[in-house]
Amino acid sequence: GAGVSQTPSNKVTEKGKYVELRCDPISGHTALYWYRQSLGQGPEFLIYFQGTGAADDSGLPNDRFFAVRPEGSVSTLKIQRTERGDSAVYLCASSLDGDTGELFFGEGSRLTVL
Amino acid sequence: QKEVEQNSGPLSVPEGAIASLNCTYSDRGSQSFFWYRQYSGKSPELIMSIYSNGDKEDGRFTAQLNKASQYVSLLIRDSQPSDSATYLCAVNGPGGSYIPTFGRGTSLIVHP
Repeated sequence: GAGVSQTPSNKVTEKGKYVELRCDPISGHTALYWYRQSLGQGPEFLIYFQGTGAADDSGLPNDRFFAVRPEGSVSTLKIQRTERGDSAVYLCASSLDGDTGELFFGEGSRLTVL
Repeated sequence: QKEVEQNSGPLSVPEGAIASLNCTYSDRGSQSFFWYRQYSGKSPELIMSIYSNGDKEDGRFTAQLNKASQYVSLLIRDSQPSDSATYLCAVNGPGGSYIPTFGRGTSLIVHP
């Protein structure tokens, strides 16, 4: 596609529920990143994929968070037993090969946990 | 732990003036430096990257890097109201780590 696509754009859920957020990167980009951004803060790194594998998942806050990229393209961020503190904008970004750090961001998925 | 520090602002400048945005970073081994622009309610957009000491110019934007002082800045000449946004500084670490660490951003307001 022309840009990074994220769905849903908005998700409202109840505390304790399970949520999936999807990211479709720019075609041909091998590197994919998940960040989350709270109001007034910069993006906070969560996980980085190079191809199908999670090259760095050191930013995942706890084991309720998990992400996959089974075919090296689309990625899904999964959050179990959501908490109110998980409310944020979840940003996905892709990069051609991960060697430059120049990221192209999607429009984000705004998650609200009630 | 890498840290990237920015004054949250807001920085208010009149139309036509030079806006100067500053960023410091903690990891002396950092190698790559980026400025992203984020309009309210939108996602970050890369506007400048700089990899070596000195100045890099692109249109009205100039990025400046001083690795000895661990300082990177962005100058916007002839500021326009459409430049009003949050400017995020991002830094990559050493050792092949190409995962940018972002600052909290500086809010810029350009008033007519």
